Amino acid sequence: QQQVKQSPQSLIVQKGGISIINCAYENTAFDYFPWYQQFPGKGPALLIAIRPDVSEKKEGRFTISFNKSAKQFSLHIMDSQPGDSATYFCAARPSNDYKLSFGAGTTVTVRA
Amino acid sequence: GAVVSQHPSRVICKSGTSVKIECRSLDFQATTMFWYRQFPKKSLMLMATSNEGSKATYEQGVEKDKFLINHASLTLSTLTVTSAHPEDSSFYICSAGNQETQYFGPGTRLLVL
Repeated sequence: QQQVKQSPQSLIVQKGGISIINCAYENTAFDYFPWYQQFPGKGPALLIAIRPDVSEKKEGRFTISFNKSAKQFSLHIMDSQPGDSATYFCAARPSNDYKLSFGAGTTVTVRA
Repeated sequence: GAVVSQHPSRVICKSGTSVKIECRSLDFQATTMFWYRQFPKKSLMLMATSNEGSKATYEQGVEKDKFLINHASLTLSTLTVTSAHPEDSSFYICSAGNQETQYFGPGTRLLVL
């Protein structure tokens, strides 16, 4: 049973466009929500993370939006570049456990 | 970000042999290390959680006698795939975590012939 549901499975966006990936969770004990970027044959790299006391966090072209009441969070990639083409995983964990629950992943393809 | 290294990055072995993969947390105060397995185009599957000096906690369905984990020091954890078979071929990734966050290693591609 997947604790974090991620969508879409894949998306294609034109260079300069916005990529949006959504995640939803049920466990209200989750209090840390990271996003990881993974290129083929490489390990996941921490991209950006948020805790539920804020509704939005921005780092460069990457923004996390968090809706605690809806138990949803999303990643927005602004001005998408071909180098952003990768698989993105959302994840979540509770404060009393360092184990992450991962979403299924979204493959993003940015067309030049 | 923190650096977590893995060695080797790739290994090919014959069926029946054992393979050891090392995971080091180089500049990050990790309290816990994790081992994952990833199949092509799939998400990460947690295999086990390990803390320094104690026995690893394995996820349901993971054979602890098959996948031996040793966490001898705060910065080093090893995964040994014993008597490897072709179905053990996969991408193995370790991570190091603490109360703040979790960083992943670059992964090890294992091919068992």
